Order: sequence, then C-alpha cells, then structure tokens
Amino acid sequence: GAGVSQSPSNKVTEKGKDVELRCDPISGHTALYWYRQSLGQGLEFLIYFQGNSAPDKSGLPSDRFSAERTGGSVSTLTIQRTQQEDSAVYLCASSLAHLLETQYFGPGTRLLVL
Amino acid sequence: QKEVEQDPGPLSVPEGAIVSLNCTYSNSAFQYFMWYRQYSRKGPELLMYTYSSGNKEDGRFTAQVDKSSKYISLFIRDSQPSDSATYLCAMSASMSTSYGKLTFGQGTILTVHP
Repeated sequence: GAGVSQSPSNKVTEKGKDVELRCDPISGHTALYWYRQSLGQGLEFLIYFQGNSAPDKSGLPSDRFSAERTGGSVSTLTIQRTQQEDSAVYLCASSLAHLLETQYFGPGTRLLVL
Repeated sequence: QKEVEQDPGPLSVPEGAIVSLNCTYSNSAFQYFMWYRQYSRKGPELLMYTYSSGNKEDGRFTAQVDKSSKYISLFIRDSQPSDSATYLCAMSASMSTSYGKLTFGQGTILTVHP
C-alpha cells in the first residue's frame, strides 16, 4: 500500500516568510510524528499526535512552530517568520497506536531559508 | 552531552566484509532500540527493532543490546554495495510515558565498495 507522503519535497523561502509543510500518514495509522533532521544535530523529535490531539509538543523549538492534524489523518507543520537556522529536512512518521515502536517515515521536506 | 552517541564515521569497507555499527546511551529509561537505514535524500527505513536486552537476527543483520553497558550494536554480514547508506540508531522509553518518541544517534555513513 501507499507509504507516508510529504509535500512539498523541497521548499526555498526567504527569511521572515511563513511556510506550511504537509504530511499524509499511512491509512489507519493514528499516531503521527514530526522530526527535524539538520546537519550536525541529527534527527530531533518535534511533536506527536494521537488522532487529532498532540499529547507531546515538547520538541517544538520555539513558538514560531505549530502543527495541527485534522480528521485523524493529514497533518500540517507551520513555521512562522522563518529563520536561517530553520533550514533542515522535516520528516513525518506514522504508526499504529499499539505499535508505536514501528514508525514509518516519509521522504521529508527539504526546507532552505535564505 | 547527547543522550545517544554514535560515531558518524564515515566507514568504508570492501564487499563481503562484516560491518559493526555501535551506539552508546546515557538514559537508563530506554527500553526499545531500533536501527534505521537511510539512503541519500530518502526517509529512514526501519531495519531492526529490539525490546530490552538480547540479540535479534534477521538475514544478514544482527542487532545486540547490552543494557548493563548502555551499548547497542548492529552487525551486517557479507556486506553488499547496496548496504551503502547512513545507519541511525534510535531509542525510546516506555511507550506509555514517551508515546514512542524516538531519540536518535547522529548516524554512521557506511560505504561498501565492490
């Protein structure tokens, strides 16, 4: 079946602009995660959704970052007033609620802030 | 100091060699241990998953966890050029408390040359 999809695959923006990144999880996966992968920092957890609620937002680096999930499916990560340090690959993963240890990752969105 | 330490390499081996990849960690709450493989410009792909201490074998891959030493390993036997990728270790605490949030090592870049 279809895996996790993300769009856009690449995004170039100017400092100070807002960006929206989209994630479509595997159908039936109620758990959804956002991670960020940057050079020198590795992969870092951002936020976790179970259904439409986010019990763990502890990884969001600042209040410029927000995320929502609607219909227990698609999720959007929004970065407001982008900064150059936001440049990274943003990865989304999904899993079944009872198999959180088995997460399937999407291909990521490569964000470059100029 | 990071919770999970992984030598970034790069590691270059000839085809057919046995590859040993390792991570150490400091958080004794980690119970779930994973190895992901990431090809260039792709999302991470789950290779192996182990709960608590012990060994697990899957084809040419063997994962080992030593919780007493806070040390995990991935062995690749009869390595192939197609194994060339970045290998990421990842860990998680109890699913009920951590919601499956993964903490990653920095990743080891592996090249298997013919």
